[in-house]
Amino acid sequence: GENVEQHPSTLSVQEGDSAVIKCTYSDSASNYFPWYKQELGKRPQLIIDIRSNVGEKKDQRIAVTLNKTAKHFSLHITETQPEDSAVYFCAASDSNYQLIWGAGTKLIIKP
Amino acid sequence: EPEVTQTPSHQVTQMGQEVILRCVPISNHLYFYWYRQILGQKVEFLVSFYNNEISEKSEIFDDQFSVERPDGSNFTLKIRSTKLEDSAMYFCASSGHGTAGGEKLFFGSGTQLSVL
Repeated sequence: GENVEQHPSTLSVQEGDSAVIKCTYSDSASNYFPWYKQELGKRPQLIIDIRSNVGEKKDQRIAVTLNKTAKHFSLHITETQPEDSAVYFCAASDSNYQLIWGAGTKLIIKP
Repeated sequence: EPEVTQTPSHQVTQMGQEVILRCVPISNHLYFYWYRQILGQKVEFLVSFYNNEISEKSEIFDDQFSVERPDGSNFTLKIRSTKLEDSAMYFCASSGHGTAGGEKLFFGSGTQLSVL
């Protein structure tokens, strides 16, 4: 079955700098890769997603890149702000019904 | 914007007791899911449900767990005899189509289950 690895587990960046979170997956059949942001005690919120027929997708300060050959995808946040502080999860869909999640990255934005 | 709603927000129960967690998915969605998240850990898939039957389930979803869609709106998760390790946040989610089609998951706000 699918296995998703996520790094780093914690990332601390200065406000205004960029943050990059990386994930790898094992199942070459996976074709949908969402990223979720979870603030403390709240539900995961989808922030961006990418399908396997696309290499990059951008939405304002957030971008996701996908390398199907290497089976990895990354989240890029530019010009980080204090409200970006949260836990970020990547996920990969290996079937019609199931998302496999990474272990999460705690992003800390230092003022 | 339509939302997935879950009740209760918190549930405290004694070990060995049965609990039922309730969810109302978004009305025109066809796929329903339960996930759980132990404090500080990753979100874990439990089960997916489509066309009134389980589509897929994880190893966590053993015989103690069951799901039901008793009417046209509710989707429930039952844990027959709770264990201490069942303590977690349980999230319900729904989508219009299966996620392999790139369909977004919409999550409820979760039920925090504490087993004492």
